Amino acid sequence: EPEVTQTPSHQVTQMGQEVILRCVPISNHLYFYWYRQILGQKVEFLVSFYNNEISEKSEIFDDQFSVERPDGSNFTLKIRSTKLEDSAMYFCASRREGLFQPQHFGDGTRLSIL
Amino acid sequence: AQSVTQLGSHVSVSEGALVLLRCNYSSSVPPYLFWYVQYPNQGLQLLLKYTTGATLVKGINGFEAEFKKSETSFHLTKPSAHMSDAAEYFCAVSDNSGGSNYKLTFGKGTLLTVNP
Repeated sequence: EPEVTQTPSHQVTQMGQEVILRCVPISNHLYFYWYRQILGQKVEFLVSFYNNEISEKSEIFDDQFSVERPDGSNFTLKIRSTKLEDSAMYFCASRREGLFQPQHFGDGTRLSIL
Repeated sequence: AQSVTQLGSHVSVSEGALVLLRCNYSSSVPPYLFWYVQYPNQGLQLLLKYTTGATLVKGINGFEAEFKKSETSFHLTKPSAHMSDAAEYFCAVSDNSGGSNYKLTFGKGTLLTVNP
């Protein structure tokens, strides 16, 4: 069964550095999402992406964050000038077009900011 | 705005016992509801979903959930727990209002432990 894949599984970065988290959504999916889960807290929506543009973003998704679909397969989340509070598990998800389609999640990238 | 409340951050059952994980939601539009399971060091795996139609939905691994509009609930059950069911379970509601992108709002999760 097709899967959403995320790389790397674990990223350790110094505060202030830029990180890029990578995702390969399922090939025939058209909606893409990023969520994050800070340790001990709930999974939170960050951003959705459709038709090569951001379709919705949460208040968490400020100017520090950006997303890109650089080619036909990858979907990336960039965090500029990372902060300690960016430490979290970041999940990518994708879904097909259509009303009742569920989102399929990757295994996540654990981001640790030192 | 939508929200999900999962009662009980930790539920412990004996192997073979009934599993009941509670979820209540708030939504201004007819909700789409989901249960996801997260095994250690893995992503979120879809267990089951409710969109429209039959209110009792069956999922993978013997789990089922019943949508009760009057109670705004979507509790997850399994008649007989297995050791392999130990994981964290998340209830989620999808924003399916007009022009939305079906983003998910999650509950805080319930950690299920199964004792031998």
